[in-house]
Amino acid sequence: DVKVTQSSRYLVKRTGEKVFLECVQDMDHENMFWYRQDPGLGLRLIYFSYDVKMKEKGDIPEGYSVSREKKERFSLILESASTNQTSMYLCASNVGGRRDEQFFGPGTRLTVL
Amino acid sequence: RKEVEQDPGPFNVPEGATVAFNCTYSNSASQSFFWYRQDCRKEPKLLMSVYSSGNEDGRFTAQLNRASQYISLLIRDSKLSDSATYLCVVNDASGTYKYIFGTGTRLKVLA
Repeated sequence: DVKVTQSSRYLVKRTGEKVFLECVQDMDHENMFWYRQDPGLGLRLIYFSYDVKMKEKGDIPEGYSVSREKKERFSLILESASTNQTSMYLCASNVGGRRDEQFFGPGTRLTVL
Repeated sequence: RKEVEQDPGPFNVPEGATVAFNCTYSNSASQSFFWYRQDCRKEPKLLMSVYSSGNEDGRFTAQLNRASQYISLLIRDSKLSDSATYLCVVNDASGTYKYIFGTGTRLKVLA
């Protein structure tokens, strides 16, 4: 079974802190994605990566950066956390084709105080 | 207009009922379509892909109407365990591997 894991289920941070969210997949997938999910807005793509060290901005990249140094690991970084970044963060991965299923991690619920 | 639109519901139906959801998409060049299921406080999981000819998986049937730019999901003989949020997902046709998610339709199957 494909497994996507995220470093924390719940995280509480203070405004201005630098926050790292880690995602690891164990199926040698090419593509990895970071989304945030908010009520009434659905899942919105922050960044995705189609190869090691390669990344593309999604719909809402402002205030975020990403790192993919190894194929299995995709990190989301909040440079200076703000209260409007309080959300559920979901990582996903897939093999590489447009028809391919995305496999999601369990999510990290981040609260910024 | 949103890129992918769904009726948020909730759809409250009795066990055994048949229920259908629609989802409209704005980009006529979209190529791939999916239904995901998301249980409360859980991650989304693929329910089924949607093919041009329509496809069925047990009690679930998915249809694609390219002319009217919508996809549908039909659930027959609803079970309590079908209670969840159903997300419509459309691939971005710009050439990148980007997926657009609808906000989801909530289904509650009642005993």
